[in-house]
Amino acid sequence: DVKVTQSSRYLVKRTGEKVFLECVQDMDHENMFWYRQDPGLGLRLIYFSYDVKMKEKGDIPEGYSVSREKKERFSLILESASTNQTSMYLCATYGSGMAQYFGPGTRLTVL
Amino acid sequence: QKEVEQDPGPLSVPEGAIVSLNCTYSNSAFQYFMWYRQYSRKGPELLMYTYSSGNKEDGRFTAQVDKSSKYISLFIRDSQPSDSATYLCAMSGLGAGNMLTFGGGTRLMVKP
Repeated sequence: DVKVTQSSRYLVKRTGEKVFLECVQDMDHENMFWYRQDPGLGLRLIYFSYDVKMKEKGDIPEGYSVSREKKERFSLILESASTNQTSMYLCATYGSGMAQYFGPGTRLTVL
Repeated sequence: QKEVEQDPGPLSVPEGAIVSLNCTYSNSAFQYFMWYRQYSRKGPELLMYTYSSGNKEDGRFTAQVDKSSKYISLFIRDSQPSDSATYLCAMSGLGAGNMLTFGGGTRLMVKP
């Protein structure tokens, strides 16, 4: 079974703080993704990575950056958290046949 | 118009009912079709995956793809309260670089 873990299930941060969300997968998959999920807006792609040290912007990269120093680990960074970044953040890894496998999610609240 | 349309619901059914969840799409290049189940405050879980047209069955779940109508369905037989969740459809095309396009999700409630 594919296992995708995320560093925190719930996180509360203050406006202006730098926030790190970490995702780890155990299947040696090359492709990893970060999404945010909001009511009425669905899943929106923030960034994705095809390989170590490679990254591509998704649909809503503003205010975010990513880091992929090791194949199994993909980090999402909020440089200066704002209240409009309060959301559910989901990491996913690509499996076979185009399907993606998701982690449990991190519910981030920015006060 | 969104590329993938999905009725948000909520869809409320009694236990034991047959449930039909649907998505329509506009991009004829889509070849791979997936259904995810997402429980409240959890990540989406891959439920069914199909390639191109046709049916696929797994236990109480049947996924159906009609590419000529650009319409996909998920049927749940003998629905259980534990099936209460949000169901997301997702799809992708060849050369899409493993990118998925998601529907907005349908919330299903199965009442005992």
